[in-house]
Amino acid sequence: GNSVTQMEGPVTLSEEAFLTINCTYTATGYPSLFWYVQYPGEGLQLLLKATKADDKGSNKGFEATYRKETTSFHLEKGSVQVSDSAVYFCALSDLSGNTPLVFGKGTRLSVIA
Amino acid sequence: DAGVTQSPTHLIKTRGQQVTLRCSPKSGHDTVSWYQQALGQGPQFIFQYYEEEERQRGNFPDRFSGHQFPNYSSELNVNALLLGDSALYLCASSLKVVGETQYFGPGTRLLVL
Repeated sequence: GNSVTQMEGPVTLSEEAFLTINCTYTATGYPSLFWYVQYPGEGLQLLLKATKADDKGSNKGFEATYRKETTSFHLEKGSVQVSDSAVYFCALSDLSGNTPLVFGKGTRLSVIA
Repeated sequence: DAGVTQSPTHLIKTRGQQVTLRCSPKSGHDTVSWYQQALGQGPQFIFQYYEEEERQRGNFPDRFSGHQFPNYSSELNVNALLLGDSALYLCASSLKVVGETQYFGPGTRLLVL
């Protein structure tokens, strides 16, 4: 079945540091890939997505590129801020329809000033 | 434009009781999915409703049931509550279109004592 593996957290960075959160997936077919963010006490917000190989999703300074050859979708940001502190979830969905999302376990990011 | 709303925000129940959680989808959306997020874990898909019928179901027992109303809002019912049902329950809405993004509500936090 489909699955998503994320790097274990927590990740603690200083403000303006470079961020990478690794995500790899296993899927049949050609899934869509997503990064969702969950701020403390809140639900999930879509951060970015990519629907086909070599697509780059980007939003709020975050980027991730859909790499079919390595089955990866790593999240990056060049300069993190304290306000980026949250839990980040990598997820996939079959492109065959409006199918359920399969999530990784999440990576907690803490950014200190 | 109202996003996905859920009620109640918090709930405390005892083992063996029954609970009903409610979700109103984002305006214009016709599909509702429910997810269970245990503490420290990624969300797990429970089921999806479209045109008032359950269309897909994850690996959850029959104690979990749902309903979708003509206005697309939805309920999640859990019978015979167990301690392990304590979690954040997330509702997501979307359009029944290939590749459409799911938008999440803030969730209902259920504590079973």
